Amino acid sequence: AQKVTQAQTEISVVEKEDVTLDCVYETRDTTYYLFWYKQPPSGELVFLIRRNSFDEQNEISGRYSWNFQKSTSSFNFTITASQVVDSAVYFCALSEPYYGQNFVFGPGTRLSVLP
Amino acid sequence: DAGVTQSPTHLIKTRGQQVTLRCSPKSGHDTVSWYQQALGQGPQFIFQYYEEEERQRGNFPDRFSGHQFPNYSSELNVNALLLGDSALYLCASSLGGDRPLSGANVLTFGAGSRLTVL
Repeated sequence: AQKVTQAQTEISVVEKEDVTLDCVYETRDTTYYLFWYKQPPSGELVFLIRRNSFDEQNEISGRYSWNFQKSTSSFNFTITASQVVDSAVYFCALSEPYYGQNFVFGPGTRLSVLP
Repeated sequence: DAGVTQSPTHLIKTRGQQVTLRCSPKSGHDTVSWYQQALGQGPQFIFQYYEEEERQRGNFPDRFSGHQFPNYSSELNVNALLLGDSALYLCASSLGGDRPLSGANVLTFGAGSRLTVL
C-alpha cells in the first residue's frame, strides 16, 4: 500500500530563515509521481511541484527547492529566506501513474513564519 | 479563466440528514475527483468521475455517492450523515482521467465545502 509520512506536524521560523519540510513515502510501484501542494487559510490546495520517479534531479524555483532521493524514499522541500506569506500547511502527495488520480496525501506540515 | 468552483462554502447539517455538494471544474478539464479532509489531516480520496462514470473509489462507504453531468460538473452526495462526516470536502479537476499515465496529471483544487454535522 502507498503511504506518505510528514513527521513534522508544525514548524515555526522567523522571517528570512531557511526551513526544510520532510516527506518520506512508501510504494511498491517502480513508476510513480510525487507532488507538493500548499494550503493557505483559504483552503484551496495550490500546486507547487511534480516529480516522476525516474527524475532524481533536484529542482530550484526561486526561493523553493526540492531534494528527491529515491534511495531513502524522500522528497524534501526547502524554502530559502522564508517570508510571512509562506505561512500555510504543506502537503506531500504520491500518485500511481496508470489510469487514475488517486493521490495519497501526507498529514501535512503547518509552517508559521513569524515577522 | 475560472478555476474550480464549489458550493456551498459552508453548511451545517444534523445527524441522519443528507447533503449534496456541487463542483464546477476548471475550464477545459473533463475529470473530477472528490477528497475529504478532516481537521488537521491530509485529504483522502473519495472517488473520481470521468465521462459521467465513477472510475475509481477510495475506502468510503456507499453512503457517499456522486454524479457527473454532461458539462463535466459534479455532485457529491452523502446520506445518513454521521458526526464523523464533518470535514472540508475538496473537489479537484484535471484532463483525461482515463488516459494512460493520467496519474501524472496535476490536480487543480477548489476551495472546498466545509460540512459540519451536529
